[in-house]
Amino acid sequence: EVQLVQSGAEVKKTGEPLRISCKGSGYSFTSHWIAWVRQMPGKGLEWMGMIYPDDSDTRYSPSFQGQVTISADKSINTAYLQWSSLKASDTAMYYCARRPIFDYWGQGTRVTVSS
Amino acid sequence: SSELTQDPAVSVALGQTVRITCQGDSLRTYYASWYQQNPGQAPVLVIYDKSDRPSGIPDRFSGSSSGNTASLTITGAQAEDEADYYCSSRDSSGNHYVFGTGTKVTVL
Repeated sequence: EVQLVQSGAEVKKTGEPLRISCKGSGYSFTSHWIAWVRQMPGKGLEWMGMIYPDDSDTRYSPSFQGQVTISADKSINTAYLQWSSLKASDTAMYYCARRPIFDYWGQGTRVTVSS
Repeated sequence: SSELTQDPAVSVALGQTVRITCQGDSLRTYYASWYQQNPGQAPVLVIYDKSDRPSGIPDRFSGSSSGNTASLTITGAQAEDEADYYCSSRDSSGNHYVFGTGTKVTVL
């Protein structure tokens, strides 16, 4: 069974760093791009970027380029989304999803950032 | 443009048919996928490659496309179809993806 399991909810302060994770199982993790999707409270889905775990080729939405870093460790079938310095506007639910058709999604990681 | 535009909300009587549209320049080149999202849950793929359904998705869901517009049709809407629906496709560059603005479907 294909599964994407994300790390748990985070409550952080502005300026703090953060890394959240997405662990794949039940399929060849290195053969599918993993995308990250943001959903701010009460808002729609936003595609942030994606990574090909086999060679770590990464693409970013222009809206998120320079704001976050996407990485992967294929030895443990895990993709990451990280921030070096969180802002209050990073408060959102973050999903990972398997490309090309986003047929499998993680359960989401809620990130809350306050001052 | 790399945007995909959807109507914010539509309503449909129980058992009737509703069509949700998604407009964007990239749809002239790339297929759309459609996702259903219930409150507090992750999105679920309901249509991909314009009109294909994943296993487990009822056949009352169908997809089509013409020009710069993709459509999701629910034929014989059920109460459990009340949800937010998002389209997605590659953007015009082909290197990135974009989601539509979302449509809230209410079943009356």
